[in-house]
Amino acid sequence: DGGITQSPKYLFRKEGQNVTLSCEQNLNHDAMYWYRQDPGQGLRLIYYSQIVNDFQKGDIAEGYSVSREKKESFPLTVTSAQKNPTAFYLCASKPGVGRNYGYTFGSGTRLTVV
Amino acid sequence: AQRVTQPEKLLSVFKGAPVELKCNYSYSGSPELFWYVQYSRQRLQLLLRHISRESIKGFTADLNKGETSFHLKKPFAQEEDSAMYYCALVEFGNEKLTFGTGTRLTIIP
Repeated sequence: DGGITQSPKYLFRKEGQNVTLSCEQNLNHDAMYWYRQDPGQGLRLIYYSQIVNDFQKGDIAEGYSVSREKKESFPLTVTSAQKNPTAFYLCASKPGVGRNYGYTFGSGTRLTVV
Repeated sequence: AQRVTQPEKLLSVFKGAPVELKCNYSYSGSPELFWYVQYSRQRLQLLLRHISRESIKGFTADLNKGETSFHLKKPFAQEEDSAMYYCALVEFGNEKLTFGTGTRLTIIP
């Protein structure tokens, strides 16, 4: 079954702790993205990667970090520097560079800071 | 900077009535525009994109560069159309997909 897998589905974190959200795809897509979804604010881009070992900041990168060591994987770390980390996080991918490709989304991870 | 505006957070329409979800954008170049939909308990998925000029599930959207709009329309609403709809834009030479804030469409039986 091809697609994007995000894990875990629900995640709880204590204040001051870092936490890593997993995103894996078996679609052989080159580009991967992390979005944050908040009620009333839509989806905002955190980081994206067009190729292995390269990534760029999105619109709200502060307090987050990523890595892209493998084509299939694009984990997102929410650091203690992120002031308001409670949110729904979505990972996406697309086949390659170029505007005509549709994005495939994962099912999301809901992070709650307790 | 690119920006996508969806002025309606909530929209309720009776079954069988026409639907129009508004989307306006601000971008000086040549945009590529999309509509994404998220049904209850399902993943966000692509509904349609302007370059394809296609009709999906009875929905169409026309890019109006003069009015900088990309409104989503359907002549007769169905109950299964109830969902969250997002308009999104990609600018030329940029790989970032920018979303609007979304409109929650509810079809009243």
